[in-house]
Amino acid sequence: AAGVIQSPRHLIKEKRETATLKCYPIPRHDTVYWYQQGPGQDPQFLISFYEKMQSDKGSIPDRFSAQQFSDYHSELNMSSLELGDSALYFCASSLPPREKLFFGSGTQLSVL
Amino acid sequence: AQKITQTQPGMFVQEKEAVTLDCTYDTSDQSYGLFWYKQPSSGEMIFLIYQGSYDEQNATEGRYSLNFQKARKSANLVISASQLGDSAMYFCAMREDSNYQLIWGAGTKLIIKP
Repeated sequence: AAGVIQSPRHLIKEKRETATLKCYPIPRHDTVYWYQQGPGQDPQFLISFYEKMQSDKGSIPDRFSAQQFSDYHSELNMSSLELGDSALYFCASSLPPREKLFFGSGTQLSVL
Repeated sequence: AQKITQTQPGMFVQEKEAVTLDCTYDTSDQSYGLFWYKQPSSGEMIFLIYQGSYDEQNATEGRYSLNFQKARKSANLVISASQLGDSAMYFCAMREDSNYQLIWGAGTKLIIKP
C-alpha cells in the first residue's frame, strides 16, 4: 500500500540558507500535517492543511511557510535557517474521520 | 499542565514477555482519539493503534491492544509476546476533535532483551 512520501530523506544546510521539504500524502487523504522533532524530544506540531487550505497552526516560526497544492502534496519552506532548526521533520496525512494519522519517514535536516 | 503523561522513560523486558506501556491523558473534550506510535532508531514514526473516546471495546491490532479506561483517563498499550524488533521509542498521543493537532507524550524507550 502507498505510504506518505517525504523528500529529501536527509538535508544539510548552512545557517541563513533556505530549505524546501516536500510531502506526498497517501492517495485520497485530504489532510496533511507537519511536525518537527528535535533530538530526544516528542514531535511538535507545526501546521496542517485540509483541502488545500490551512486548517490549524502550531509552533511554526515566522521564517517557515507551507502550502498544499492542487494535487494535495505539501511543501514546507524554511528560510534564514538557524542551528536550532536541525531536527527530524515529519509529514503525516489522514482521511476523515481521522482515526489513523500516517507519517512519512521524515526529513532529517542538519543546519551547520 | 501535561495533557499526555507517559510515566516510564525507559523499560527493559525479556523477549516473549508481555509489556504494558502506560499513558494517561487529560482533556475536557467529550470526543477525542488516542493513538500509539512506534519510533525505531531509524527514525520513522509507525502507527500502531487507535482508540476513539466513544468506542466501547478496547482496540486491538495483532499483538497490540489498548487498555482503555475512560474514567481513569488511561490508555495503556499492551504488547503481547514481545520480540526483539519491538525495541523502539513508543509515543502515546491524543487528538481532541476540536482541532487537528496531535498532542504527544514524552515517550517510553522500550528495550527487549534476548
